[in-house]
Amino acid sequence: GEDVEQSLFLSVREGDSSVINCTYTDSSSTYLYWYKQEPGAGLQLLTYIFSNMDMKQDQRLTVLLNKKDKHLSLRIADTQTGDSAIYFCAESLGGYNKLIFGAGTRLAVHP
Amino acid sequence: DVKVTQSSRYLVKRTGEKVFLECVQDMDHENMFWYRQDPGLGLRLIYFSYDVKMKEKGDIPEGYSVSREKKERFSLILESASTNQTSMYLCAITGSAIMNTEAFFGQGTRLTVV
Repeated sequence: GEDVEQSLFLSVREGDSSVINCTYTDSSSTYLYWYKQEPGAGLQLLTYIFSNMDMKQDQRLTVLLNKKDKHLSLRIADTQTGDSAIYFCAESLGGYNKLIFGAGTRLAVHP
Repeated sequence: DVKVTQSSRYLVKRTGEKVFLECVQDMDHENMFWYRQDPGLGLRLIYFSYDVKMKEKGDIPEGYSVSREKKERFSLILESASTNQTSMYLCAITGSAIMNTEAFFGQGTRLTVV
């Protein structure tokens, strides 16, 4: 079955690290994604990881993938107020690159 | 610059009306998707199309239909709008090649059914 789950809220202090977690159920996923949605805006690709990788780092972002547990995480170092947004985890399935999304985690960054 | 354009940002329709939501892309991508976004539920796939005149049901197709007569255009149709279809509707596109998996989204159409 296709299901992606993530917690709905996360609150962090400015300058701390944020860790957003996601679990998925379909082991045939080829790519796993993190999308960011700022208030009133559409979704933008933040980063992605290929399913045969364990980790990917891109500046302040670190993605960790545990295929055995079907667990994906996004770590944002030195979180800033501009990082406040909803973060969606998604998996890509099948030859049509169908994306299945989680419910989204709302990240609130406070001083 | 990739463009996925949805015809309206905001729409207000009456219960029972037939509603058309249009999505146009300029990337020549094969796959086009319609999602609805609701708080706490994330994005749920309504329908998608992988080629002209081809369509596949997503997770919540009931009450909706789609049309893809040209590669660049994918329409979502609400045959008889109901209040539970009040939502944000997002169109997305992806390519078919294994490396071309990033999805590009339109800005969304916020539909209110009264």
